[in-house]
Amino acid sequence: AQKITQTQPGMFVQEKEAVTLDCTYDTSDPSYGLFWYKQPSSGEMIFLIYQGSYDQQNATEGRYSLNFQKARKSANLVISASQLGDSAMYFCAMREPFYGGSQGNLIFGKGTKLSVKP
Amino acid sequence: NAGVMQNPRHLVRRRGQEARLRCSPMKGHSHVYWYRQLPEEGLKFMVYLQKENIIDESGMPKERFSAEFPKEGPSILRIQQVVRGDSAAYFCASSPKGRISGANVLTFGAGSRLTVL
Repeated sequence: AQKITQTQPGMFVQEKEAVTLDCTYDTSDPSYGLFWYKQPSSGEMIFLIYQGSYDQQNATEGRYSLNFQKARKSANLVISASQLGDSAMYFCAMREPFYGGSQGNLIFGKGTKLSVKP
Repeated sequence: NAGVMQNPRHLVRRRGQEARLRCSPMKGHSHVYWYRQLPEEGLKFMVYLQKENIIDESGMPKERFSAEFPKEGPSILRIQQVVRGDSAAYFCASSPKGRISGANVLTFGAGSRLTVL
């Protein structure tokens, strides 16, 4: 069965520094997708970045990059130049395989609470 | 250009009452998903619907919970005879087509927080 693990319940980072949020996954399917979402205190879930299992390069979106290590089954989110507005919960998610009637629903980790210090 | 709209944002119910949560997907999106988030947990899939059809309800509890997405109007998640364990945040998400991918990501609403007294 697919599983997402986020081992850091909480992280602190100094403003303007970089931070890495860990995510490991478990799947036997060769085709999968990994997502990161941000959940600020207001509650909405904001899509940040996506990495496909067959993508040759690590995904990047502005200050967000994904350190994808396929052999280790890890997909860590790197946030560069942290800002106060980055303080939020961050969730890693994996798409279920496309078989058995599934349309690829997302399986979420428990999240990491990031606090950016001024 | 509104995103996914959910209401109510907060709902308080007493045990045994019914809760109805509404979700209007983004314009142009015909695929709706409902997820539940318990305290200190990640989101868990409940049900996936297209207009007038339930496609996948594998995450939905067998009793008391139902969902619909009528031809006209928002998607509704209905919880009958609520119990304290139903207290959670319920998120709706939408996408323009099926099969979630990097080119077809889920856009989430702000959630509806249900408290059962």
